[in-house]
Amino acid sequence: GDSVTQMEGPVTLSEEAFLTINCTYTATGYPSLFWYVQYPGEGLQLLLKATKADDKGSNKGFEATYRKETTSFHLEKGSVQVSDSAVYFCALDNGGATNKLIFGTGTLLAVQP
Amino acid sequence: EADIYQTPRYLVIGTGKKITLECSQTMGHDKMYWYQQDPGMELHLIHYSYGVNSTEKGDLSSESTVSRIRTEHFPLTLESARPSHTSQYLCASRGAATGELFFGEGSRLTVL
Repeated sequence: GDSVTQMEGPVTLSEEAFLTINCTYTATGYPSLFWYVQYPGEGLQLLLKATKADDKGSNKGFEATYRKETTSFHLEKGSVQVSDSAVYFCALDNGGATNKLIFGTGTLLAVQP
Repeated sequence: EADIYQTPRYLVIGTGKKITLECSQTMGHDKMYWYQQDPGMELHLIHYSYGVNSTEKGDLSSESTVSRIRTEHFPLTLESARPSHTSQYLCASRGAATGELFFGEGSRLTVL
């Protein structure tokens, strides 16, 4: 079945460091791909998305490119801030009547000043 | 700005009590979902609904039940809470146009 694999955390970085959180997926067809972020004590919110191959989603300095050839959707940011500390979830939607998103296990990012 | 609300945000109760977690959205979304989130962060889908009078079990078996009598309201009930039910419960709804899931802030349940 469809699945999402994320790199294990926690990821600890110093402020202004470069961030990569790896995400790969297994799916039939052409899924849409998402990154959600969960700040401490809150629910999840959509960070960015891409709906077809080679699309780049971007928001708040974060970017991810939908790579069909490597079945990947890695999240990147050039310079992280303390306020980026959160849990990041990669997810896919392969359509269908249920519209269930399949989430990865989440990656905790801790940014130190 | 998401218009989906969960109450209570925090609840501490004793074993055997009946509890209902409320979830309401004002976006008119047909599809709604309940997730259980481990302390280790992983999300597990426990219930979902396509619309009024539709409810389905999710991927993770749960002793909770849900109802969907109105589009905007999707409450989750535990008839007899146990310590194993201690968790965070997240409600979400899905927009048809963008496919985006909108989440509430969660209800953190502790059963003593």
